[in-house]
This record gives sequence, C-alpha cells and structure tokens, in this order.
Amino acid sequence: QQPVQSPQAVILREGEDAVINCSSSKALYSVHWYRQKHGEAPVFLMILLKGGEQKGHEKISASFNEKKQQSSLYLTASQLSYSGTYFCGTEWFRDDMRFGAGTRLTVKP
Amino acid sequence: NAGVTQTPKFQVLKTGQSMTLQCAQDMNHEYMSWYRQDPGMGLRLIHYSVGAGITDQGEVPNGYNVSRSTTEDFPLRLLSAAPSQTSVYFCASSYHGQPNYGYTFGSGTRLTVV
Repeated sequence: QQPVQSPQAVILREGEDAVINCSSSKALYSVHWYRQKHGEAPVFLMILLKGGEQKGHEKISASFNEKKQQSSLYLTASQLSYSGTYFCGTEWFRDDMRFGAGTRLTVKP
Repeated sequence: NAGVTQTPKFQVLKTGQSMTLQCAQDMNHEYMSWYRQDPGMGLRLIHYSVGAGITDQGEVPNGYNVSRSTTEDFPLRLLSAAPSQTSVYFCASSYHGQPNYGYTFGSGTRLTVV
C-alpha cells in the first residue's frame, strides 16, 4: 500500500514556510524524501530510520514519528528553487519502497 | 559521470510489440529497481533486485519481465505492449543493506503505446 501524502499542492511566497505530511497504515522501517522538478528524475533529500529521529538538510528538515507511522517534511524560508513535487517513500521492509502520490510545491516571488 | 543511465529516452510502440528498456549504473550498487510514474499516482514499483541473479516483484509487475545477470545492468522487458503501459519509467539504484543511503534515479524513459 502506498503512503498518503498531504496536502496535494501548496503555493507559497518566497520566505514562507511549509509542512508536507506522509502517513502509512503499516509499521515502517524507513522513510525517504525526494524532490522532482518537472521533466526530471527524483532527487534524494534525506532518509529517516525508525527511532523517531529528525534530520536536516540546509533549510529543509524532516521528522519521523514511529508510533504514529508518520513523517513530516519542513521547508523553512522557502526559495524559488524549492519548487517541485515532493515524494515520500516508505519501506515496510528493506528494498520494497512505495511512494506517495506527491505534493506539488510552488514558490512565487 | 557516475550515475544511472537509461536508454532510450523516448519510445513509441504499437500495441503488441515487445521491447527492452535499458538501465546501467556504475556505482557498484547492489540494489536496482524499476518504477513507473503516471500522473497523480506517484511512482509505482514494478520489479527490484538486490544483486546479480536475484529479482523480485513489486506492486505492478504484470506485463513486465526483468533479469539481473551483472551488478551493473538491470533491463526491463515489455512482453506485449498495451496502451495501459504508456508511462514514464524510472530506474533507481542504491546500496543494499546499508541504511542512510537513498536511491539514485536515472533520467527516465517516456514510453507511449499506440
């Protein structure tokens, strides 16, 4: 089963913050986050392993709540370059990763 | 440049034709997989492999075959193309059994079946 992402789309002005959520009905081994620009391949942002950790990557960070089987991606002080579609990928066991339907993020000047 | 190489970038097939999508990586990754991407549905796993000689099915394997004879290559075969297989196909690779590594994706193959 694919994880559920929300919201489906979000529009921001430069400098604003956003949160993208990813939830699963199954216990998770790991959560991945990727960003895909139009017409390009998805690019890896970060991975979170079960254990409730939080990671950061520039102004983009994520958390993983193992009990709730949820992960959230936080984008702070958004830049135009953050525009794209964000996907979470979840593994119930290693190697079988399923992706959410994606969240389209648009950052406007 | 190190990475995942997919060929062709674009392909048009007639219904019933067969073809092979090529995927090669030069990062010595044990894990390789194929996904298809359709509008509004994200990426769906077709087949994956954790090493030469080992393959397994994902969530949408019907109509596709794979084999893994070398670490570097993981071709995807469409046996008898159908319009429902019109999609963008991505190959991905990663280290196997090592946490903290994400997937590296190829640039994709856009397939149209008419």
